[in-house]
Amino acid sequence: QKEVEQNSGPLSVPEGAIASLNCTYSDRVSQSFFWYRQYSGKSPELIMSIYSNGDKEDGRFTAQLNKASQYVSLLIRDSQPSDSATYLCAAQRGSGGYQKVTFGTGTKLQVIP
Amino acid sequence: KAGVTQTPRYLIKTRGQQVTLSCSPISGHRSVSWYQQTPGQGLQFLFEYFSETQRNKGNFPGRFSGRQFSNSRSEMNVSTLELGDSALYLCASSRRLAGDYEQYFGPGTRLTVT
Repeated sequence: QKEVEQNSGPLSVPEGAIASLNCTYSDRVSQSFFWYRQYSGKSPELIMSIYSNGDKEDGRFTAQLNKASQYVSLLIRDSQPSDSATYLCAAQRGSGGYQKVTFGTGTKLQVIP
Repeated sequence: KAGVTQTPRYLIKTRGQQVTLSCSPISGHRSVSWYQQTPGQGLQFLFEYFSETQRNKGNFPGRFSGRQFSNSRSEMNVSTLELGDSALYLCASSRRLAGDYEQYFGPGTRLTVT
């Protein structure tokens, strides 16, 4: 079982719709979770971080965390063609000197004009 | 605030050679992590340096090594290059203090081994 799992997609949504990206993680002690956006040929860009159960909103993006279900999601409202990219989910665990951040393999999102 | 910088951006090497990649973190960030990204394997963690000490290491052979300097700049070295080392090498910096583990990536170095 992979530590962080994502559906590779592609996930296709029409422009203006809500895109829902999902991620599950296997390590129950994971504490912090991150969503990155990566355009083709570019490096990952941090778009959201979430540390506690519930929702966190930032503009058109909402991250949701459910630690009991070991599930993280990212909602993108009013999707735009410029949102077309691969979205990486990451989970962090550890304390003190030892930290580990594990990335999923990403979900490719295509927003159709 | 300047972002993470990596040099060189592109590199072509021959099998058996060695290569050194450089990463300058965001000012104030003391942690630098290195990742290898390939289409088949995704982002694979190489190692992390914090305050000039290697804190974590991924499952890569000893040909992959790194170091961090007192100004937090980091270098990664790959010796005896193999064709399979062709990849995008990314470094990411973070404050790594008080629960802040947000990582910010540099533009990457694309290494091609022929």
